[in-house]
Amino acid sequence: AQSVTQPDIHITVSEGASLELRCNYSYGATPYLFWYVQSPGQGLQLLLKYFSGDTLVQGIKGFEAEFKRSQSSFNLRKPSVHWSDAAEYFCAVGAGNMLTFGGGTRLMVKP
Amino acid sequence: DTGVSQDPRHKITKRGQNVTFRCDPISEHNRLYWYRQTLGQGPEFLTYFQNEAQLEKSRLLSDRFSAERPKGSFSTLEIQRTEQGDSAMYLCASSPDRSRGYTFGSGTRLTVV
Repeated sequence: AQSVTQPDIHITVSEGASLELRCNYSYGATPYLFWYVQSPGQGLQLLLKYFSGDTLVQGIKGFEAEFKRSQSSFNLRKPSVHWSDAAEYFCAVGAGNMLTFGGGTRLMVKP
Repeated sequence: DTGVSQDPRHKITKRGQNVTFRCDPISEHNRLYWYRQTLGQGPEFLTYFQNEAQLEKSRLLSDRFSAERPKGSFSTLEIQRTEQGDSAMYLCASSPDRSRGYTFGSGTRLTVV
């Protein structure tokens, strides 16, 4: 069965600093990989996805992620964080007819 | 495209009562999913419909839970004889194709008192 690990439960960065959120997955075949963002009390918004091809994918709001098969990782990055990026971020692996989510990383942004 | 709509946004119910939630997916999406999210956790898969057919159910979906999508459009999720452990956010999502990712609704937050 597939699984997703997000090792960092909380991360705090200063506004304008760079960001990297870690995601490791376990799945026997080539996965579909996703990053979602969730603001308090809201649903999830898709930031980006990896399906195949170029291992560096660009998403909305200036985010990007890199698929590294050898490390079973799909880390999310942003070069300069804005205060509005404060939220919960979820990595997910798609297998069959479902997504399996990690436990999430809560991002806090210091002014 | 008005997105995925869920109703109600919040529901408070007494233990033992039945509750029903509704989800209206994006109209051209034939795939519909229900997920449950408890505080501080990622969403967990409950069930999946393709058109009106319920093709997959998680073992999390006990006998007290039932979901329908009668005409392949909106879906309902019913919980019978609610328990305090059912308190969670119930998320609905739809998709035209599994490679495109899902569009999630804002969820229904259930509190069982």
